[in-house]
Amino acid sequence: EDKVVQSPLSLVVHEGDTVTLNCSYEVTNFRSLLWYKQEKKAPTFLFMLTSSGIEKKSGRLSSILDKKELFSILNITATQTGDSAVYLCAVPDSNYQLIWGAGTKLIIKP
Amino acid sequence: GAGVSQSPRYKVAKRGQDVALRCDPISGHVSLFWYQQALGQGPEFLTYFQNEAQLDKSGLPSDRFFAERPEGSVSTLKIQRTQQEDSAVYLCASSPWTGEYGYTFGSGTRLTVV
Repeated sequence: EDKVVQSPLSLVVHEGDTVTLNCSYEVTNFRSLLWYKQEKKAPTFLFMLTSSGIEKKSGRLSSILDKKELFSILNITATQTGDSAVYLCAVPDSNYQLIWGAGTKLIIKP
Repeated sequence: GAGVSQSPRYKVAKRGQDVALRCDPISGHVSLFWYQQALGQGPEFLTYFQNEAQLDKSGLPSDRFFAERPEGSVSTLKIQRTQQEDSAVYLCASSPWTGEYGYTFGSGTRLTVV
């Protein structure tokens, strides 16, 4: 059965800290892994990863995929209170429907 | 089962037909969300239930869309007089808590309107 597992479930850090969020997957016919940030209602897209070992960066956020070990990490450096959100990982299955992780709730304390 | 179950997995509807999409959340989960995800895009919020109460339906795109959760468990999303732009994957998610936290997504229903 296809599955996506995220850890930790929740994380509380202080502003300025660096955090690493984890996503592991078991999905048949893997094509890509997606990271989303959800602050209010619907997730907003962050990254799509398809190639192992190539880091994607956007400002203080970066992500990398390890297709051999079947996981991805999302790093956030110099965290700010605006980074507080739920971070979701998703992987399309063989029918292109997304298998979602449960998310990591990140709280940044000032 | 242990997860959020959605049915049918796939639905092909003729334009103008009414459809009903079902979501079985994890037993005991308080919160239930519906999302619409068009091809190549992220999920868009449709509506939110806390138990049987529909607390937010601001994302429903038109009055052709209707959702209910009468006993606080199973939810149904109904789309009347379907149109081609309704073609999308409809995702359901549930959480044991109130608010948007720690939720489990179903695998979705892919609706194709022809």
